[in-house]
Amino acid sequence: RKEVEQDPGPFNVPEGATVAFNCTYSNSASQSFFWYRQDCRKEPKLLMSVYSSGNEDGRFTAQLNRASQYISLLIRDSKLSDSATYLCVVTPSGGSYIPTFGRGTSLIVHP
Amino acid sequence: GAVVSQHPSRVICKSGTSVKIECRSLDFQATTMFWYRQFPKQSLMLMATSNEGSKATYEQGVEKDKFLINHASLTLSTLTVTSAHPEDSSFYICSALGQLNTEAFFGQGTRLTVV
Repeated sequence: RKEVEQDPGPFNVPEGATVAFNCTYSNSASQSFFWYRQDCRKEPKLLMSVYSSGNEDGRFTAQLNRASQYISLLIRDSKLSDSATYLCVVTPSGGSYIPTFGRGTSLIVHP
Repeated sequence: GAVVSQHPSRVICKSGTSVKIECRSLDFQATTMFWYRQFPKQSLMLMATSNEGSKATYEQGVEKDKFLINHASLTLSTLTVTSAHPEDSSFYICSALGQLNTEAFFGQGTRLTVV
């Protein structure tokens, strides 16, 4: 089983739709969780951190389920500009701090 | 926020030559930097972990003699692709951990094309 798994998609949704992605991780001792956004041929950029209590930033909501070992990202009222690849990143505990990336989920928002 | 600068952003080189890619943390000290490679439609794959003042730790399958990593200061790590071949053509990205060792900051990436 891969350390971090994501459905590669693509998720093809109309503007205004709500879309959700999940990401599962295998290391139960994982410490930190993030969602990054990567546009084509660009570097990944932090979208948001994922806290145990869940967090919301405008149209984006991230949640962590430690029991089932997954994190989720919900995007409401999708915009054309949301089209990108969304990378799930997990950082283990124990001092190694090496971020591990999921393959990414491709989102295409169409008019 | 923290900034990581990587250059060149794009390079084309001939087979057999070497290419150096630089990664700098501009406003923080990065004791640990990571080098990733990303092939089209693939995920970011960790190549090596670079620690200031010590040898890099390479992931399985990554040739340390081909991908030379130097992390001589707290703000600079370099990756040199030696004797480049067309199959080395890829997108290389460096990353540095922030002060709290949680968030990762990325360089702009280098598109390497070997002809």
